[in-house]
Amino acid sequence: GAVVSQHPSRVICKSGTSVKIECRSLDFQATTMFWYRQFPKKSLMLMATSNEGSKATYEQGVEKDKFLINHASLTLSTLTVTSAHPEDSSFYICSASDSGSTGELFFGEGSRLTVL
Amino acid sequence: GENVEQHPSTLSVQEGDSAVIKCTYSDSASNYFPWYKQELGKRPQLIIDIRSNVGEKKDQRIAVTLNKTAKHFSLHITETQPEDSAVYFCAASKGAGSYQLTFGKGTKLSVIP
Repeated sequence: GAVVSQHPSRVICKSGTSVKIECRSLDFQATTMFWYRQFPKKSLMLMATSNEGSKATYEQGVEKDKFLINHASLTLSTLTVTSAHPEDSSFYICSASDSGSTGELFFGEGSRLTVL
Repeated sequence: GENVEQHPSTLSVQEGDSAVIKCTYSDSASNYFPWYKQELGKRPQLIIDIRSNVGEKKDQRIAVTLNKTAKHFSLHITETQPEDSAVYFCAASKGAGSYQLTFGKGTKLSVIP
């Protein structure tokens, strides 16, 4: 199947700093990518839908200024957690659909963010 | 918006027995229902999916059934093995190319050797 790569897999930062997470579709073009947040032993919660060349669509309750999403190309979307706080510590996962095939969603490996 | 309920939250079965996980959805416009398996700290992996024009789909030991009228779908795993132990998530979407999924809360399946 198609491959989605996410980087970094783990990041530890100090409170108040910003962290950028990259999501890349390696062997297909993805006009739409999705960003999720997952707390321990909990389900995936959709944060936002990232559309190439346009503004992301955020789910209710997700702060746009806190979680900046950029989808500058058909193979790369980035999530920047700005002014991170300990409560932002979580597992962030992206996914992308190879719209040229079955439309199956492929997930990145996930990024575990720890804010001290 | 869509709401997906998943039951049970935890499930323990003896190796070789069958496991059944059930989900209901609220939006009758949803037409794509994938199931994901997630091992601890890893990405979700699609194990099987079903579209609304099909009532049942099977892939070796895994099967999914869909009842559009009742708006529920179920995952069936037969002859369970220890490596089936993981968290399973159901999801629903309206498809149409974007596949924005709403996930159930997950079921932690433990297969006891």
